[in-house]
Amino acid sequence: EDQVTQSPEALRLQEGESSSLNCSYTVSGLRGLFWYRQDPGKGPEFLFTLYSAGEEKEKERLKATLTKKESFLHITAPKPEDSATYLCAVRTDSNYQLIWGAGTKLIIKP
Amino acid sequence: KAGVTQTPRYLIKTRGQQVTLSCSPISGHRSVSWYQQTPGQGLQFLFEYFSETQRNKGNFPGRFSGRQFSNSRSEMNVSTLELGDSALYLCASSLEDAMNTEAFFGQGTRLTVV
Repeated sequence: EDQVTQSPEALRLQEGESSSLNCSYTVSGLRGLFWYRQDPGKGPEFLFTLYSAGEEKEKERLKATLTKKESFLHITAPKPEDSATYLCAVRTDSNYQLIWGAGTKLIIKP
Repeated sequence: KAGVTQTPRYLIKTRGQQVTLSCSPISGHRSVSWYQQTPGQGLQFLFEYFSETQRNKGNFPGRFSGRQFSNSRSEMNVSTLELGDSALYLCASSLEDAMNTEAFFGQGTRLTVV
């Protein structure tokens, strides 16, 4: 069964303290892995798409990487405004629908 | 370029009633997906429409239904509302080739069933 697992469930960091969020997946044929950011009460905001192992994408303080079994979202010198829930989703060869992880709630303290 | 628009933003309904939610996708996007999001269950896929046809369906009871119009706008309907239907309902649109493209979400409709 296709599955996506995100860890940790929650992460508290001090402002400027870099860290990484993990998204591991077990799927039959990866077509794409997507990272989203979601603020409370709002819809997820698209961040990155990764298609193949070794691929990397960057945006401001965020960098996403992909291996054959997992993806990492690296956050460098985070600021309080980076606080949000970060969601990971995959699309597979066999299904149009996105398979979602449960998310990591990131809290950055000033 | 306008984003995905969902209406209404907030809704309060009584148990047993029915409700219709609306979603206008980004111009040019032909795929529309609906999700239910609750604190305990995360994002749960309801269904996806492409060119007015339901292309995929999640594991929800028949009380949940949807449709898509020729202009790609979509509606979802929930009949005989239950307390457990209280959730944030999200709509996402994608380009024609939904297999390889990202989905863009609306702000959601917060449904409260009392």
